Amino acid sequence: NAGVMQNPRHLVRRRGQEARLRCSPMKGHSHVYWYRQLPEEGLKFMVYLQKENIIDESGMPKERFSAEFPKEGPSILRIQQVVRGDSAAYFCASSPASAKNIQYFGAGTRLSVL
Amino acid sequence: GIQVEQSPPDLILQEGANSTLRCNFSDSVNNLQWFHQNPWGQLINLFYIPSGTKQNGRLSATTVATERYSLLYISSSQTTDSGVYFCAVDTGRRALTFGSGTRLQVQP
Repeated sequence: NAGVMQNPRHLVRRRGQEARLRCSPMKGHSHVYWYRQLPEEGLKFMVYLQKENIIDESGMPKERFSAEFPKEGPSILRIQQVVRGDSAAYFCASSPASAKNIQYFGAGTRLSVL
Repeated sequence: GIQVEQSPPDLILQEGANSTLRCNFSDSVNNLQWFHQNPWGQLINLFYIPSGTKQNGRLSATTVATERYSLLYISSSQTTDSGVYFCAVDTGRRALTFGSGTRLQVQP
């Protein structure tokens, strides 16, 4: 049973470009979460999705950031017109649809904005 | 929102020593997880422990939900235990709130 798969592992973008980060949850998991980790800090919640629905996006910046989890395929975190402050590690987690909500994390995508 | 405080922020141990890491939280929680972030940045699940005590090898954890704290014990530490240990809690929204972590360095 493969774990949470994120790609790419490393992504370099120039200011103003778009970044697309992908996350495939563990098999059987229908809940996906995105977190951001700035250097030397803890992880901060961004968004919680189920298939075709955004459940909680209270941690998402109001502009340039969007997320989706389509019926087929991975969840996508999209950052438009990246700025240097977007440089961070972005982690995806998944959990099964149960009350326990044990979240399992992918290896992360490290975004560097030049 | 809920506040999560971890202590100590930094810890240096000699190989073989024992240690206790603490996590205090400011509200009732449905879920509490401990993670180890290794030097390569990967987050490893250690425990799901909203209450009670669990053990896994040299690691054990105790959460006293009524007093809003959790402890992670590391015994006979090894250099591979180095990294950052995070406590994260969920109050029912399913989003995890992380503490700032304890940075552990185990010296040979």
